[in-house]
Amino acid sequence: GENVEQHPSTLSVQEGDSAVIKCTYSDSASNYFPWYKQELGKGPQLIIDIRSNVGEKKDQRIAVTLNKTAKHFSLHITETQPEDSAVYFCAASISYGQNFVFGPGTRLSVLP
Amino acid sequence: GAVVSQHPSWVICKSGTSVKIECRSLDFQATTMFWYRQFPKQSLMLMATSNEGSKATYEQGVEKDKFLINHASLTLSTLTVTSAHPEDSSFYICSARDFTRSTDTQYFGPGTRLTVL
Repeated sequence: GENVEQHPSTLSVQEGDSAVIKCTYSDSASNYFPWYKQELGKGPQLIIDIRSNVGEKKDQRIAVTLNKTAKHFSLHITETQPEDSAVYFCAASISYGQNFVFGPGTRLSVLP
Repeated sequence: GAVVSQHPSWVICKSGTSVKIECRSLDFQATTMFWYRQFPKQSLMLMATSNEGSKATYEQGVEKDKFLINHASLTLSTLTVTSAHPEDSSFYICSARDFTRSTDTQYFGPGTRLTVL
């Protein structure tokens, strides 16, 4: 089955700097890759997603890149702010929206 | 749009009792809902996939007789933890797909924290 790895497990950056979180997946059939942000005690919130037919997607300060050949995708957050501090999860799905396999998560801390 | 609610947000119960958790899609219809379990500082683990009007599909290792799932309408799915024990204490999160949108994502509820004494 699909296996998703995520690095780093923790990440601390200064406010205003950029943050990058990387995920790798094992099943080349995976075709949908969402990123979620989870604040303490709350459910995950979708922040950006990408399909396998696209190499990059951007939404204001957040971008995601996908390398299908290498089977990895990355989340890029620019101009980080303290409110970006949370746990971020990547996920991979083989059948568009079904059966998400989540990465272990990255705890991002943005220091003021 | 795409709001999912859960009730209750937290519950404390005695060992041996049953607890029901509701998951509702508030502004869309969800033919498919998902139930996840999350232990502290860990990732989300899919427990089961719930399709409206049919039996849920459980992931390997999840006891279907212990975690009863009902998806009776396009906006409501329930998870009942039967004969709960302390090891069932966890954060339970549901998600739903909006099949009418041109998106493939799952929208998550706020979660329910279950503590079994």
